[in-house]
Amino acid sequence: DTEVIQTPKHLVMGMTNKKSLKCEQHMGHRAMYWYKQKAKKPPELMFVYSYEKLSINESVPSRFSPECPNSSLLNLHLHALQPEDSALYLCASSPLPGTSGNQPQHFGDGTRLSIL
Amino acid sequence: ILNVEQSPQSLHVQEGDSTNFTCSFPSSNFYALHWYRWETAKSPEALFVMTLNGDEKKKGRISATLNTKEGYSYLYIKGSQPEDSATYLCACGSGNTGKLIFGQGTTLQVKP
Repeated sequence: DTEVIQTPKHLVMGMTNKKSLKCEQHMGHRAMYWYKQKAKKPPELMFVYSYEKLSINESVPSRFSPECPNSSLLNLHLHALQPEDSALYLCASSPLPGTSGNQPQHFGDGTRLSIL
Repeated sequence: ILNVEQSPQSLHVQEGDSTNFTCSFPSSNFYALHWYRWETAKSPEALFVMTLNGDEKKKGRISATLNTKEGYSYLYIKGSQPEDSATYLCACGSGNTGKLIFGQGTTLQVKP
């Protein structure tokens, strides 16, 4: 059983829709991450939250809007996405910001997003 | 830009064979090297995190070594089993930020 829960598992949306991806962990981790993974490519970091504050934005377009309402939850709000945004979106967490580089990250199963 | 490379891209072995893959990374400003196993339709699973030159770690039949001076890590699987079939990803940890730069992965297929 994965300890990082992502919902929904699959999402199909039109380019004008607004939807949200959700990620939840109850391991007490204080660093949380969003990654984007295209087919046959490695995961690419999008955002990092440390102690519920955005610490890294990898120049992600504003049509992706992250939110960390509390230490257990991470959302990714989607609006006006493009077909090229179709991908697997992975959420991950690790125990402590500040030493995160040498701590393993715990991943969810991902949300498979398709933009029509 | 940190560039992490893995080889081979894919590997097909028979059950019982031992195998190894390579992860190459820039040796300057090294912080940490991660290995993950990613089975189809599952989440990536952390195998090892290594930080020290010469580090060797083992988990069952899987082991890994690290050479930070020359910028490479090897992952070994002894006596491969069909359940070892997965994509194995290495990633460099970039400082204290938690940012990981992943390699392209090595996809292993173990035939019974």
